[in-house]
Amino acid sequence: GEDVEQSLFLSVREGDSSVINCTYTDSSSTYLYWYKQEPGAGLQLLTYIFSNMDMKQDQRLTVLLNKKDKHLSLRIADTQTGDSAIYFCAESKDYKLSFGAGTTVTVRA
Amino acid sequence: DSGVTQTPKHLITATGQRVTLRCSPRSGDLSVYWYQQSLDQGLQFLIQYYNGEERAKGNILERFSAQQFPDLHSELNLSSLELGDSALYFCASSGTGRANYGYTFGSGTRLTVV
Repeated sequence: GEDVEQSLFLSVREGDSSVINCTYTDSSSTYLYWYKQEPGAGLQLLTYIFSNMDMKQDQRLTVLLNKKDKHLSLRIADTQTGDSAIYFCAESKDYKLSFGAGTTVTVRA
Repeated sequence: DSGVTQTPKHLITATGQRVTLRCSPRSGDLSVYWYQQSLDQGLQFLIQYYNGEERAKGNILERFSAQQFPDLHSELNLSSLELGDSALYFCASSGTGRANYGYTFGSGTRLTVV
């Protein structure tokens, strides 16, 4: 995942908003994704955004895409303890997804 | 349950041995992808199969091989195992040969080489 970069850790208070940031390198990526991995589990697709969109909202999740800066962010509103997990940003390249290293989000009471 | 089934869930084996990891894709999906997740390397793409044929290859070692069978299930074979091969191995599937709407991941096989 060396082409996709994200910060490694985020600590947030319960009820606050979380913002996870990601930068990618391939401007030809058609889709960008956010996955969630809980301890001992596989990766769960949270949401994706098509490259011609700037924003996508899905309940508590808001994805912002700045294609010029190749910057993607995921905002989680009203963060809950169940949101504690590792969040991966990914870009589509040819036939595969390339993942970032993941951001570990810890929700504190 | 994501619909992608991986077996076994856990595997402990000795160095030099060979193991086979199995994946059944979600019903109707033609593509299978294998990823390795380790603490130091993150999620690394290994290989993709589409409808029985190899479609893309990533950072897969020569000691590793995979195949996809006519019923679309896939196996990842790891041989001459080394301590550094200890990792989580994920299988994912998608309906077509392209990532497009994302993959569906299985829950993984945790391989420990001792």
